[in-house]
Amino acid sequence: DAGVIQSPRHEVTEMGQEVTLRCKPISGHNSLFWYRQTMMRGLELLIYFNNNVPIDDSGMPEDRFSAKMPNASFSTLKIQPSEPRDSAVYFCASSPNSDNEQFFGPGTRLTVL
Amino acid sequence: GDSVTQMEGPVTLSEEAFLTINCTYTATGYPSLFWYVQYPGEGLQLLLKATKADDKGSNKGFEATYRKETTSFHLEKGSVQVSDSAVYFCALSENSGYSTLTFGKGTMLLVSP
Repeated sequence: DAGVIQSPRHEVTEMGQEVTLRCKPISGHNSLFWYRQTMMRGLELLIYFNNNVPIDDSGMPEDRFSAKMPNASFSTLKIQPSEPRDSAVYFCASSPNSDNEQFFGPGTRLTVL
Repeated sequence: GDSVTQMEGPVTLSEEAFLTINCTYTATGYPSLFWYVQYPGEGLQLLLKATKADDKGSNKGFEATYRKETTSFHLEKGSVQVSDSAVYFCALSENSGYSTLTFGKGTMLLVSP
């Protein structure tokens, strides 16, 4: 099993640019989670999907952030426009159902200059 | 709301020392409890879990017992190795509906030879 796949692994961009992070969950998992990790705030849940439907996006910081899950095997997290305070490691995780173990991807380290 | 409190790190130990990382929680129902581990540059991975009171989760020499009376789930290992150096996260999941994980802030463990 390939595990949760995230791309890119590292992203460096300039303030104001659009950033798109990608995630492929484990096949057969029906829940998908996006997290952000920083030294100051720790691990924060941004949004999660169940059966491709957004269930709770209350953790999305502001309108600059959006997430989609067009099918069971792909999700994106977009930041437009990006700001330096968005610099963090973004993790995607999937779960066979919403209250079981979550399997994390390796993360995308985003740096906004 | 639900919350998880972990001891602050870093915890610095010599190889073969005994490890305890304290974790207490607040939850409205009867949650499942988890310990996740994050090695440098990687995503989180499940270390162990317990789903009901008095259950003991164990893996790779680590253990934690679900103590409902003290709302605790302390992580222990009898003899740590340098390879155990990582960040450890305690988490809970309410076992109802679309339940997500609530994480503590993480505790860094540094083991020296």
